[in-house]
Amino acid sequence: AQKVTQAQTEISVVEKEDVTLDCVYETRDTTYYLFWYKQPPSGELVFLIRRNSFDEQNEISGRYSWNFQKSTSSFNFTITASQVVDSAVYFCALSEASGATNKLIFGTGTLLAVQP
Amino acid sequence: GAGVSQSPRYKVTKRGQDVALRCDPISGHVSLYWYRQALGQGPEFLTYFNYEAQQDKSGLPNDRFSAERPEGSISTLTIQRTEQRDSAMYRCASSLEGTGGPVWNEQFFGPGTRLTVL
Repeated sequence: AQKVTQAQTEISVVEKEDVTLDCVYETRDTTYYLFWYKQPPSGELVFLIRRNSFDEQNEISGRYSWNFQKSTSSFNFTITASQVVDSAVYFCALSEASGATNKLIFGTGTLLAVQP
Repeated sequence: GAGVSQSPRYKVTKRGQDVALRCDPISGHVSLYWYRQALGQGPEFLTYFNYEAQQDKSGLPNDRFSAERPEGSISTLTIQRTEQRDSAMYRCASSLEGTGGPVWNEQFFGPGTRLTVL
């Protein structure tokens, strides 16, 4: 069965601190995609990153970095030097390539509050 | 170009009433998805269309929920005899193609319709 677990419900940090959001996934597929989305207070879903299961290279984009480890079925997201504008709910998601629809399976989200 | 649009953005209805939520996908996008996001939860898949064909409705919670996309473009999600537990954000997404395989076609999400059932 496909499943995404985000064990951290809420995280609160002070501005400029580093923070890591955890994501653990379950799938039987060998080909799959992993995603992170940001949902700011305004409510829209903002796409951040997509990785496929064959690419385990970590990725850095500005203050954001992602650590994909197949051995532990994890796809963690780190924000370096957090800012107040990073406050949002962050969702990890999975899509299996064997499915006929490419539907997204989301975790329950982590609410990040960055205090000034 | 225009993104995915949804209407209405907010809908308040009384329990027992029927509601119809509309999604206008990006022009030329073959695949269309409906998701539901309850408060404090992640979006959950409801149904999927490839052109006008509803190929997956496994996420529809019960037979009060139905969806159509008669001309392969605009889609309507209908909830009959609404209940308070139907209150949620209903999101639509579209992509160029949605079939499985090694090539991912990005899903573009609309702004959602916030449904409140009193």
